[in-house]
Amino acid sequence: AQSVTQLDSQVPVFEEAPVELRCNYSSSVSVYLFWYVQYPNQGLQLLLKYLSGSTLVKGINGFEAEFNKSQTSFHLRKPSVHISDTAEYFCAVSFNTNAGKSTFGDGTTLTVKP
Amino acid sequence: EAGVAQSPRYKIIEKRQSVAFWCNPISGHATLYWYQQILGQGPKLLIQFQNNGVVDDSQLPKDRFSAERLKGVDSTLKIQPAKLEDSAVYLCASSLADRGALNTEAFFGQGTRLTVV
Repeated sequence: AQSVTQLDSQVPVFEEAPVELRCNYSSSVSVYLFWYVQYPNQGLQLLLKYLSGSTLVKGINGFEAEFNKSQTSFHLRKPSVHISDTAEYFCAVSFNTNAGKSTFGDGTTLTVKP
Repeated sequence: EAGVAQSPRYKIIEKRQSVAFWCNPISGHATLYWYQQILGQGPKLLIQFQNNGVVDDSQLPKDRFSAERLKGVDSTLKIQPAKLEDSAVYLCASSLADRGALNTEAFFGQGTRLTVV
């Protein structure tokens, strides 16, 4: 079985500061990893994904994430956040490249303050 | 292109009543998913369709939940009878993927927020 743990339920940060949202997973087989963003009353939008290749993955809105197999982590980072980044962020893991069939973490609420 | 459409956006019902949600996926998407997202938790997959066939419904509480995708396009999810713990957002998603093919992204609708009182 696979599981995802998002280590911080809430992350407050000031505008233009860097941010890291932490995600750890457990799985006995190879996995594929995803980060989604959910704005209030909206569906989920894919930020980035790791399927294979380079462990540093760049996504939309200036976000990036690094896959670390030895630490079973896939932390999301952004060097300078904006007010508009305030949202819920979900890390997800899948046994295959089928992004829709994923196990999700419980989310991290990112609040960017002016 | 149009996204995944869901209706209604909000629904309030009393326990033991029935309710149905509708989803129209992106045109041409073979795979359709229904997720349940309880407040404070991540989405949990309920059922996956490939065209009009069920691929995975292992997490669907079949004593009260049912779903269909008769023509391989739009889908309905039904709850009968509803319980208080069914209060959640029900998300529909679709992807191009065909069985065995590489898939890169699932597109989500805005969801239906169900409140059972």
